[in-house]
Amino acid sequence: GIQVEQSPPDLILQEGANSTLRCNFSDSVNNLQWFHQNPWGQLINLFYIPSGTKQNGRLSATTVATERYSLLYISSSQTTDSGVYFCAASATGTASKLTFGTGTRLQVTL
Amino acid sequence: NAGVTQTPKFRILKIGQSMTLQCAQDMNHNYMYWYRQDPGMGLKLIYYSVGAGITDKGEVPNGYNVSRSTTEDFPLRLELAAPSQTSVYFCASLGSGTQDYEQYFGPGTRLTVT
Repeated sequence: GIQVEQSPPDLILQEGANSTLRCNFSDSVNNLQWFHQNPWGQLINLFYIPSGTKQNGRLSATTVATERYSLLYISSSQTTDSGVYFCAASATGTASKLTFGTGTRLQVTL
Repeated sequence: NAGVTQTPKFRILKIGQSMTLQCAQDMNHNYMYWYRQDPGMGLKLIYYSVGAGITDKGEVPNGYNVSRSTTEDFPLRLELAAPSQTSVYFCASLGSGTQDYEQYFGPGTRLTVT
């Protein structure tokens, strides 16, 4: 099945800093989603982005499907951005079953 | 629309007990999925369904059963609960017939087996 790898595994930022999270995947995809899991365990859907670029406030994401990677940009980070960021992908023709990466744990400090 | 709903939010089971985790969606989605998330890990697929009456195993199906008698509901049954099933369970759904493959997730059920 498809492999999904995320980097870095851990990230500590000061409030106001910018960051880039990376997701590599091993196959052609029909779905690529980024999630934020907050400290209470809630899974928040950030982006559905199998290709192209999207922006939502301080967050943006880019997927280069031909090179099999996606990037999540967080600008002017805030303490509420802390938590774990997951990338998940489904390969084309697989009933859209998502495979999740192991996540990037982000801690934003004052 | 309520989206994807799950009940209960929390549950503690004793070893050997059984229970059913409920999942419902009101978006008329054909595809539904059950994932589990162990502490510190990403989610893994347990079972999925591509329509009423059709289910199939995912990556980690052992110890679970599912049924899909209606489009709206996709319950997950745990028989003979074991400590290894302590996890957070997420249900998700996806519409079909379009080029949009975004999955919508429920809030999760936190299960502890002791």
